[in-house]
Amino acid sequence: DAKTTQPNSMESNEEEPVHLPCNHSTISGTDYIHWYRQLPSQGPEYVIHGLTSNVNNRMASLAIAEDRKSSTLILHRATLRDAAVYYCIRGPEKLVFGKGTKLTVNP
Amino acid sequence: GAVVSQHPSRVICKSGTSVKIECRSLDFQATTMFWYRQFPKQSLMLMATSNEGSKATYEQGVEKDKFLINHASLTLSTLTVTSAHPEDSSFYICSAGGDRGKGNQPQHFGDGTRLSIL
Repeated sequence: DAKTTQPNSMESNEEEPVHLPCNHSTISGTDYIHWYRQLPSQGPEYVIHGLTSNVNNRMASLAIAEDRKSSTLILHRATLRDAAVYYCIRGPEKLVFGKGTKLTVNP
Repeated sequence: GAVVSQHPSRVICKSGTSVKIECRSLDFQATTMFWYRQFPKQSLMLMATSNEGSKATYEQGVEKDKFLINHASLTLSTLTVTSAHPEDSSFYICSAGGDRGKGNQPQHFGDGTRLSIL
């Protein structure tokens, strides 16, 4: 049980921002929120993670709701290389993957 | 950044063969590594947690005698698929990251091993 809910698919245009939502309403106080993405025939790639505060790195931003029951991964300017399946995962250590969101980026 | 190397990237072999897959953390030590399996158009399924110096912890429904895991050093874990059959054909992926219990450490994944059993 992945214990997170994501839309099956989303579509964006190149160079536009993308907001990928994730619901984790049963998250415990010690669970981190992790985001990974996977391109076809490759292993997942770490994107970002956080606990309570919003986080930024070179790849993306993570906005965490105040009650921590949901979060949003923000890609500020989507590129064609960002097309992938994005997984939102909660947990202390081992990662249980759900179905993720397949992001399509249109040129 | 941290790199996890997985070898081989692809294996094609006959039914009944045992296949060993290696997972190495190249620039960090990993007391814990994870093994996943992914069937076409599906998500990753966690198979087991590999613990350095002790027995692996298998997820429910995963046969420990079928999928042998050895984590003999802080940089190497191996998964052996014993007496492989066509239904074992899948994409096997390993990951390594922070020490057990430290949930703030990201996992780094290998590029996966495509196993095809004829």
